[in-house]
Amino acid sequence: DAGVIQSPRHEVTEMGQEVTLRCKPISGHNSLFWYRQTMMRGLELLIYFNNNVPIDDSGMPEDRFSAKMPNASFSTLKIQPSEPRDSAVYFCASSLSPNTGELFFGEGSRLTVL
Amino acid sequence: AQSVTQPDIHITVSEGASLELRCNYSYGATPYLFWYVQSPGQGLQLLLKYFSGDTLVQGIKGFEAEFKRSQSSFNLRKPSVHWSDAAEYFCAVAPRRTGANNLFFGTGTRLTVIP
Repeated sequence: DAGVIQSPRHEVTEMGQEVTLRCKPISGHNSLFWYRQTMMRGLELLIYFNNNVPIDDSGMPEDRFSAKMPNASFSTLKIQPSEPRDSAVYFCASSLSPNTGELFFGEGSRLTVL
Repeated sequence: AQSVTQPDIHITVSEGASLELRCNYSYGATPYLFWYVQSPGQGLQLLLKYFSGDTLVQGIKGFEAEFKRSQSSFNLRKPSVHWSDAAEYFCAVAPRRTGANNLFFGTGTRLTVIP
Protein backbone atom coordinates (compact mmCIF):
# COMPACT_ATOMS: atom_id res chain seq x y z
CA ASP A 1 0.00 0.00 0.00
CA ALA A 2 1.17 3.48 -0.77
CA GLY A 3 2.10 5.59 2.19
CA VAL A 4 1.81 9.33 2.55
CA ILE A 5 3.21 10.94 -0.58
CA GLN A 6 4.82 14.35 -0.50
CA SER A 7 6.16 16.49 -3.29
CA PRO A 8 8.56 17.93 -4.03
CA ARG A 9 11.18 16.08 -1.97
CA HIS A 10 13.56 18.98 -2.31
CA GLU A 11 12.91 22.61 -3.16
CA VAL A 12 15.43 25.41 -3.44
CA THR A 13 14.03 28.86 -4.01
CA GLU A 14 14.90 32.48 -3.53
CA MET A 15 13.54 34.75 -0.89
CA GLY A 16 10.26 36.28 -1.88
CA GLN A 17 9.15 33.42 -4.09
CA GLU A 18 5.99 31.42 -3.53
CA VAL A 19 6.42 27.84 -2.40
CA THR A 20 3.76 25.15 -2.60
CA LEU A 21 4.21 21.80 -0.91
CA ARG A 22 1.85 18.96 -1.70
CA CYS A 23 0.61 15.94 0.19
CA LYS A 24 -1.46 12.91 -0.64
CA PRO A 25 -2.55 11.11 2.54
CA ILE A 26 -3.15 7.40 2.86
CA SER A 27 -6.48 6.46 1.33
CA GLY A 28 -9.18 6.23 3.97
CA HIS A 29 -7.37 8.33 6.55
CA ASN A 30 -9.53 11.10 7.95
CA SER A 31 -6.94 13.28 9.65
CA LEU A 32 -4.04 15.13 8.04
CA PHE A 33 -1.21 17.01 9.68
CA TRP A 34 1.54 19.37 8.58
CA TYR A 35 4.71 19.49 10.68
CA ARG A 36 7.90 21.49 10.32
CA GLN A 37 11.27 20.18 11.50
CA THR A 38 14.31 22.34 12.15
CA MET A 39 17.43 21.87 14.20
CA MET A 40 16.59 24.82 16.39
CA ARG A 41 12.92 24.16 17.07
CA GLY A 42 12.54 20.44 16.48
CA LEU A 43 9.20 19.15 15.25
CA GLU A 44 6.37 21.67 15.30
CA LEU A 45 2.74 21.02 14.42
CA LEU A 46 1.61 23.67 11.97
CA ILE A 47 -1.96 22.65 11.27
CA TYR A 48 -4.21 19.63 11.20
CA PHE A 49 -7.41 18.71 9.42
CA ASN A 50 -10.19 16.28 10.29
CA ASN A 51 -12.41 15.28 7.37
CA ASN A 52 -10.86 18.05 5.26
CA VAL A 53 -11.75 20.73 7.81
CA PRO A 54 -8.95 22.67 9.54
CA ILE A 55 -9.21 21.98 13.27
CA ASP A 56 -6.22 23.75 14.72
CA ASP A 57 -3.97 26.15 12.83
CA SER A 58 -2.47 27.81 15.89
CA GLY A 59 0.96 26.50 14.91
CA MET A 60 1.02 28.30 11.58
CA PRO A 61 3.83 30.83 12.02
CA GLU A 62 2.25 33.82 10.34
CA ASP A 63 0.03 34.97 7.53
CA ARG A 64 2.61 34.01 4.95
CA PHE A 65 1.67 30.39 5.58
CA SER A 66 -1.59 28.87 4.41
CA ALA A 67 -2.86 25.31 4.10
CA LYS A 68 -5.76 23.82 2.24
CA MET A 69 -7.39 20.45 1.91
CA PRO A 70 -9.83 20.63 -0.98
CA ASN A 71 -10.62 16.93 -0.81
CA ALA A 72 -9.78 13.82 1.15
CA SER A 73 -6.84 12.89 -1.04
CA PHE A 74 -4.91 16.14 -1.36
CA SER A 75 -3.52 18.94 0.74
CA THR A 76 -1.20 21.87 0.11
CA LEU A 77 0.94 24.04 2.30
CA LYS A 78 1.81 27.37 0.74
CA ILE A 79 4.35 29.95 1.79
CA GLN A 80 4.10 33.34 0.17
CA PRO A 81 6.45 35.16 0.22
CA SER A 82 9.12 32.76 1.41
CA GLU A 83 11.97 33.84 3.70
CA PRO A 84 15.30 32.18 4.57
CA ARG A 85 14.02 31.35 8.06
CA ASP A 86 11.38 29.13 6.46
CA SER A 87 14.11 26.69 5.47
CA ALA A 88 13.19 23.38 7.07
CA VAL A 89 11.88 19.91 6.38
CA TYR A 90 8.11 19.93 6.12
CA PHE A 91 6.32 16.69 6.92
CA CYS A 92 2.82 15.68 6.10
CA ALA A 93 1.20 12.91 8.13
CA SER A 94 -2.17 11.21 8.12
CA SER A 95 -4.15 9.19 10.61
CA LEU A 96 -7.01 6.76 10.27
CA SER A 97 -9.14 8.39 12.93
CA PRO A 98 -8.94 11.38 15.26
CA ASN A 99 -7.92 9.63 18.42
CA THR A 100 -5.43 6.86 17.66
CA GLY A 101 -2.20 8.76 18.15
CA GLU A 102 -0.74 6.79 15.26
CA LEU A 103 0.39 9.18 12.58
CA PHE A 104 1.84 7.94 9.30
CA PHE A 105 4.46 10.34 8.04
CA GLY A 106 5.61 11.08 4.54
CA GLU A 107 9.28 11.34 3.73
CA GLY A 108 9.19 15.11 3.95
CA SER A 109 9.89 18.07 1.69
CA ARG A 110 13.20 19.76 2.33
CA LEU A 111 12.88 23.48 1.64
CA THR A 112 15.83 25.79 1.25
CA VAL A 113 15.15 29.50 0.84
CA LEU A 114 18.18 31.47 -0.27
CA ALA B 1 4.47 24.92 31.72
CA GLN B 2 3.62 21.78 29.77
CA SER B 3 6.65 20.07 28.28
CA VAL B 4 8.24 16.85 27.16
CA THR B 5 11.95 16.42 27.77
CA GLN B 6 14.49 14.05 26.33
CA PRO B 7 17.63 14.77 28.32
CA ASP B 8 20.02 12.85 26.08
CA ILE B 9 20.80 14.47 22.74
CA HIS B 10 23.05 11.66 21.52
CA ILE B 11 23.69 8.13 22.76
CA THR B 12 26.21 5.62 21.46
CA VAL B 13 25.89 1.93 22.22
CA SER B 14 27.59 -1.22 20.99
CA GLU B 15 25.65 -3.66 18.93
CA GLY B 16 24.12 -6.27 21.22
CA ALA B 17 24.14 -4.00 24.25
CA SER B 18 21.00 -2.92 26.04
CA LEU B 19 19.46 0.49 25.49
CA GLU B 20 17.40 2.91 27.53
CA LEU B 21 16.27 6.27 26.22
CA ARG B 22 14.81 8.70 28.70
CA CYS B 23 11.67 10.76 28.43
CA ASN B 24 10.05 12.98 31.05
CA TYR B 25 6.92 15.03 30.76
CA SER B 26 5.32 17.82 32.68
CA TYR B 27 1.55 18.00 32.38
CA GLY B 28 -1.29 18.57 34.79
CA ALA B 29 -2.77 15.15 34.04
CA THR B 30 -1.06 12.14 32.54
CA PRO B 31 -1.11 12.64 28.79
CA TYR B 32 -1.15 10.01 26.10
CA LEU B 33 2.48 8.90 25.58
CA PHE B 34 4.31 7.78 22.46
CA TRP B 35 7.68 6.88 21.04
CA TYR B 36 8.44 7.48 17.36
CA VAL B 37 11.57 6.64 15.39
CA GLN B 38 13.01 8.52 12.43
CA SER B 39 15.58 6.89 10.18
CA PRO B 40 17.82 9.20 8.12
CA GLY B 41 15.94 10.89 5.32
CA GLN B 42 12.66 9.35 6.37
CA GLY B 43 9.50 10.35 8.12
CA LEU B 44 8.63 9.24 11.63
CA GLN B 45 7.23 5.83 12.49
CA LEU B 46 5.29 4.92 15.63
CA LEU B 47 7.10 2.43 17.86
CA LEU B 48 4.60 2.20 20.69
CA LYS B 49 2.05 4.13 22.70
CA TYR B 50 0.52 4.24 26.15
CA PHE B 51 -3.07 5.23 26.75
CA SER B 52 -3.96 3.38 29.96
CA GLY B 53 -3.70 0.01 31.65
CA ASP B 54 -0.51 -2.04 31.86
CA THR B 55 2.36 0.35 32.42
CA LEU B 56 4.81 -1.79 30.44
CA VAL B 57 4.07 -1.39 26.75
CA GLN B 58 5.42 -3.55 23.97
CA GLY B 59 6.11 -2.09 20.56
CA ILE B 60 7.50 -2.97 17.20
CA LYS B 61 11.11 -3.94 16.47
CA GLY B 62 11.59 -5.40 19.95
CA PHE B 63 11.16 -2.12 21.82
CA GLU B 64 9.27 -1.62 25.05
CA ALA B 65 8.55 1.36 27.28
CA GLU B 66 7.51 1.71 30.88
CA PHE B 67 5.23 4.42 32.19
CA LYS B 68 6.09 5.55 35.71
CA ARG B 69 3.57 8.01 37.05
CA SER B 70 5.62 8.84 40.16
CA GLN B 71 8.54 9.92 37.99
CA SER B 72 6.51 11.39 35.11
CA SER B 73 8.61 9.24 32.84
CA PHE B 74 8.13 7.02 29.82
CA ASN B 75 11.53 5.51 29.06
CA LEU B 76 12.16 3.40 25.98
CA ARG B 77 14.17 0.18 26.26
CA LYS B 78 15.56 -2.58 24.13
CA PRO B 79 17.49 -5.55 25.56
CA SER B 80 19.83 -5.98 22.58
CA VAL B 81 20.45 -3.28 20.01
CA HIS B 82 20.95 -4.04 16.33
CA TRP B 83 22.90 -1.88 13.90
CA SER B 84 19.65 -1.11 12.09
CA ASP B 85 18.33 0.62 15.22
CA ALA B 86 20.59 3.60 14.54
CA ALA B 87 18.15 6.47 14.13
CA GLU B 88 16.61 9.41 15.94
CA TYR B 89 14.03 8.64 18.59
CA PHE B 90 11.30 11.02 19.60
CA CYS B 91 9.14 10.88 22.67
CA ALA B 92 5.77 12.55 22.19
CA VAL B 93 2.80 13.42 24.33
CA ALA B 94 -0.79 14.34 23.58
CA PRO B 95 -2.97 16.03 26.19
CA ARG B 96 -6.02 13.93 26.91
CA ARG B 97 -8.35 16.89 26.64
CA THR B 98 -7.32 17.57 23.04
CA GLY B 99 -7.09 14.01 21.78
CA ALA B 100 -4.39 11.52 20.98
CA ASN B 101 -3.57 13.01 17.60
CA ASN B 102 -2.50 16.39 18.99
CA LEU B 103 1.12 15.35 19.44
CA PHE B 104 3.90 17.40 20.94
CA PHE B 105 7.34 15.99 20.28
CA GLY B 106 10.48 16.09 22.37
CA THR B 107 13.74 17.26 20.86
CA GLY B 108 14.84 13.74 20.04
CA THR B 109 17.73 11.43 20.94
CA ARG B 110 20.10 10.37 18.22
CA LEU B 111 21.25 6.75 18.61
CA THR B 112 24.53 5.60 17.15
CA VAL B 113 25.29 1.87 17.14
CA ILE B 114 28.91 0.78 16.90
CA PRO B 115 30.01 -2.73 15.85
